[in-house]
Amino acid sequence: QVQLVESGGGVVQPGRSLRLSCVASGFTFSNYAMHWVRQAPGKGLEWLAVISYDGTKKYYADSLKGRFTISRDNSKNTLYLQMKSLRAEDTAVYLCARDVGYTSTSGAFDPWGQGTLVTVSS
Amino acid sequence: DIQMTQSPSSLSASVGDRVSITCQASQDISNYLNWYQQKPGKAPKLLIYDASNLETGVPSRFSGSGSGTDFTFTISSLQPEDIATYYCQQYDNLFSFGPGTKVDIK
Repeated sequence: QVQLVESGGGVVQPGRSLRLSCVASGFTFSNYAMHWVRQAPGKGLEWLAVISYDGTKKYYADSLKGRFTISRDNSKNTLYLQMKSLRAEDTAVYLCARDVGYTSTSGAFDPWGQGTLVTVSS
Repeated sequence: DIQMTQSPSSLSASVGDRVSITCQASQDISNYLNWYQQKPGKAPKLLIYDASNLETGVPSRFSGSGSGTDFTFTISSLQPEDIATYYCQQYDNLFSFGPGTKVDIK
């Protein structure tokens, strides 16, 4: 079945970097745009970034101010989120989601992974 | 940026009740709006896309309507398994979510 599994979260000190991964299975990963979304503890969903199916187009939420970079390796069925200059307010569960559009961005996210928790704390 | 608001922020209703949630966009987004359900401890699930289209496999008691800036999500007969937080999401200009509406059983 279609599955997304995130990893790479953990406790990190403020100012440090972290790279998250999302491994896809059950579908042809290279045909779909992918998104990162985060959810701070007890809070709502915040969209972070999207990457096109072939990795040539990337878009980010303004709030990230260039600190995060989305990328993908279609040969490994893996999506990445490189995060730098981490702050306490970046503490959240980070979820990856597939865009439902086939080789295009439809705007709907399905399915989602279960997420990986990033805690930024000294 | 397009800002999304939802009301109410939470509601409590009885099993069988009709429940409605409104979502408002800060500018015209046509019908570029989706609705998601997130149960406690679980990942979100797509319920409605393009404002009013029911995702495959989603029960017909869920529905969506609206266009432009004002949208409504309705559960026609609330069931115990519908306890969740519901989010609207626009995709007219990049992507953004509403703050969510928590639905409980009275």
